[in-house]
Parts: sequence; structure tokens; C-alpha cells
Amino acid sequence: KQEVTQIPAALSVPEGENLVLNCSFTDSAIYNLQWFRQDPGKGLTSLLLIQSSQREQTSGRLNASLDKSSGRSTLYIAASQPGDSATYLCAVLGGAGNMLTFGGGTRLMVKP
Amino acid sequence: KAGVTQTPRYLIKTRGQQVTLSCSPISGHRSVSWYQQTPGQGLQFLFEYFSETQRNKGNFPGRFSGRQFSNSRSEMNVSTLELGDSALYLCASKGHSPVTNTQYFGPGTRLTVL
Repeated sequence: KQEVTQIPAALSVPEGENLVLNCSFTDSAIYNLQWFRQDPGKGLTSLLLIQSSQREQTSGRLNASLDKSSGRSTLYIAASQPGDSATYLCAVLGGAGNMLTFGGGTRLMVKP
Repeated sequence: KAGVTQTPRYLIKTRGQQVTLSCSPISGHRSVSWYQQTPGQGLQFLFEYFSETQRNKGNFPGRFSGRQFSNSRSEMNVSTLELGDSALYLCASKGHSPVTNTQYFGPGTRLTVL
């Protein structure tokens, strides 16, 4: 059974810092890995998707990497801003069920 | 393109009642998945429908059911509501591209069971 873990569970940083969010998964047989952002009480916004054959994806100040063999992904956020404050979730797609398995999320607070 | 829409956005029910939630996927998407999000369990997969057929099912009791219509709109039903069913219910749609497989989520329906 796939298990996804995100560390840290919560993170508070001053504005302008570069930061790294971590995601690990137990079963490397995945199709892809997605990073999402969730604002309080809202749905999920897809940030980046990395196919299993890829090593990284970039979008603006965000960069996500994937090391499938070690079961790890990182989301790098450059020059953080207060508007980045949200919960960040990673999810892997794989297995016979072809369903997303989510981590518990990292709650990020960027202080002005 | 319009995004994934879910109705209603908020619901309050009492124990023992039943509820039906609706999800309209992005135009052209035929796969719709449902997830339950609670503070204790996080996001958990309920089921996936594709072309009116349930393709996958998560580990939830039979009180949770769903269906998909020919226009790809999907409904999920929860019967005999329990307090523990209070949650944010999210649906997601996905295109059939072998390249992207990006899931796009709706805003969710917040269900409160009293």
C-alpha cells in the first residue's frame, strides 16, 4: 500500500527566504507526482506535475524534483512571499487503482 | 474553459439523513474522481468514474456511492449520515492524455453532519 509522507508538517519563514518542502513515498511504481496548493477551506490548485520519467519541473518561482528510485520529491520555492502562505500537498498517481495518494501536507506561513 | 464545478458548496444535515453531491468536470474530461478530506485522515480517495462506469473504489463503506451520467457529470450519495462523515468532499476531473494526467480539482462541498 502506497504511503506518502510530508516533512515538515508546518513551516514559518520570513518573506524573501528560499525554502524546500519534502515529500517521500514508499512504492516507487508511480506514473507521476503532483504538487498542489490548498488555501483554507478551498479546493486544490495544481502547481506542478512530474512524470515518472522526468527529474524536475519548473514554473516561475517553483521547482519540483523527483527521485523515483529513492522515493523522494522536493518542492523548492524561491524568494517566498506572504501570498505563498497555504498548505502544500504532494500526491502520487500509481498502482492498480490509478488513484492519487496524498501526503498530509505542509502548512506554510510566510511572514511579511 | 470553465473549471470543475461542485454543488452545493455547503450542506448541513443531521445524522441518519442522506445527501447527494454533484460535480461537473471540465468540458471534454471523462474521468471524475471523488475525495474526502478531514483534519484527522487527510485526503482519501473515494471512487473514480470513467464513461459512466466506476473504475476504482477506495476503502469506504457501502453508504458511499456514486454515479456518472452520459455528459460526464457525476454525483455521489451518502446514506445514513454519521457525525464522522463531516468533511470537505472534493471532486477532480482528468483528461485522457497519456502525457499529462493532471487532475483538476473543484472547490469542494463542505458537509456538516449534526
